[in-house]
Amino acid sequence: QVQLVQSGAEVKKPGASVNVSCKASGYTFIGYYIHWVRQAPGQGLEWMGRINPKSGDTNYAQNFQGRVTMTRDTSISTAYMELSSLRSDDTAVYYCANLVSTVIYWGQGALVTVSS
Amino acid sequence: EIVLTQSPGTLSLSPGERATLSCRASQSISSSSLAWYQQKPGQAPRLLIYGASSRAAGIPDRFSGSGSGTGFTLIISSLEPEDFAVYYCQHYGTSSWTFGQGTKVEIK
Repeated sequence: QVQLVQSGAEVKKPGASVNVSCKASGYTFIGYYIHWVRQAPGQGLEWMGRINPKSGDTNYAQNFQGRVTMTRDTSISTAYMELSSLRSDDTAVYYCANLVSTVIYWGQGALVTVSS
Repeated sequence: EIVLTQSPGTLSLSPGERATLSCRASQSISSSSLAWYQQKPGQAPRLLIYGASSRAAGIPDRFSGSGSGTGFTLIISSLEPEDFAVYYCQHYGTSSWTFGQGTKVEIK
């Protein structure tokens, strides 16, 4: 079965960067985009962008252009999302997700806390 | 950019009642790319409906989705205690995803 397993919680200082990983299993990793979505405390879901694991091509949401970088390592079926110049309002749970055939699967989420 | 607007913001109902949630798109979208989720505190979103009307695996048949074009609906036919949660609609387009702002279904 499709599984996306994310790295653990992180605490970062303002101005730092964070890197969240998403290890995929149960399907052909290079066959389907990996998307990243975040959710600030008490807020809704916000799409950040996606990566094509086969080519490495990315599409980023305008809100994150210049601050987010999505990469992948096909040898270990893992996608990464790096967010830089962190601010307090970047405190959120960061999810990876994908659409395999007709079903959308989600990772368990990784809480990133930005605090001085 | 497609904007999804959900209504109402909060729905106060009693167990056993019917819940009707709306999701309106700012422009016509394909039914095949509209999903509904349930989310409880501290949990990842749970896929309920994909392709506007297809139930995901393991989802009870009291959940049903319908709609086309710019208007979509999620119906919970008879609320169970575990159904009180926040519900989101999502457009999973060819190049980006968009989410509605959510509807909270709370116990009256």
